[in-house]
Amino acid sequence: GIQVEQSPPDLILQEGANSTLRCNFSDSVNNLQWFHQNPWGQLINLFYIPSGTKQNGRLSATTVATERYSLLYISSSQTTDSGVYFCAAYNTDKLIFGTGTRLQVFP
Amino acid sequence: DAGITQSPRYKITETGRQVTLMCHQTWSHSYMFWYRQDLGHGLRLIYYSAAADITDKGEVPDGYVVSRSKTENFPLTLESATRSQTSVYFCASSAGGTGELFFGEGSRLTVL
Repeated sequence: GIQVEQSPPDLILQEGANSTLRCNFSDSVNNLQWFHQNPWGQLINLFYIPSGTKQNGRLSATTVATERYSLLYISSSQTTDSGVYFCAAYNTDKLIFGTGTRLQVFP
Repeated sequence: DAGITQSPRYKITETGRQVTLMCHQTWSHSYMFWYRQDLGHGLRLIYYSAAADITDKGEVPDGYVVSRSKTENFPLTLESATRSQTSVYFCASSAGGTGELFFGEGSRLTVL
């Protein structure tokens, strides 16, 4: 089945820094989502992005489906951005998750 | 707007007991999913359902049973709980097979 790999596995930033998280997938996908799991365990939808670029405030995402990767950009990071970021790729009608990038933002 | 709700949120049980985790969504989404989340394994799909009375296995279905008699409900049953089933369980739903997925708040299950 499809493999979804995320990098880096861990990221430590100071408030105000920018970062780029990467998601590679091994096969063609129907769609892709990014999620943020906050320290309380909630999974929050960030982007639903089959291709192209989307922006939402300080976050943006780009998916290049033909090259099998997606990027999540976080600008001017804040402590509330801490948590784990997951990408998940659709293979037929199932969503397969990567193992996540754990982000810690310190003041 | 209740969205998708799970119950119970926390459950402690003993090995060998039957446990049912409930999931209810108010969006009339056709697809519903059960994932488990464990340290070192991320989120893994247990079962999913494309519509009422249609269910399919995911990556880790062994030891679990699901049913979907109504579109809005998708209960997950552990018929004889084992310690390896200690985990956080997430229910999710989407309007279509590749539609945006929305998660419930999770159910933390501990099997002693």
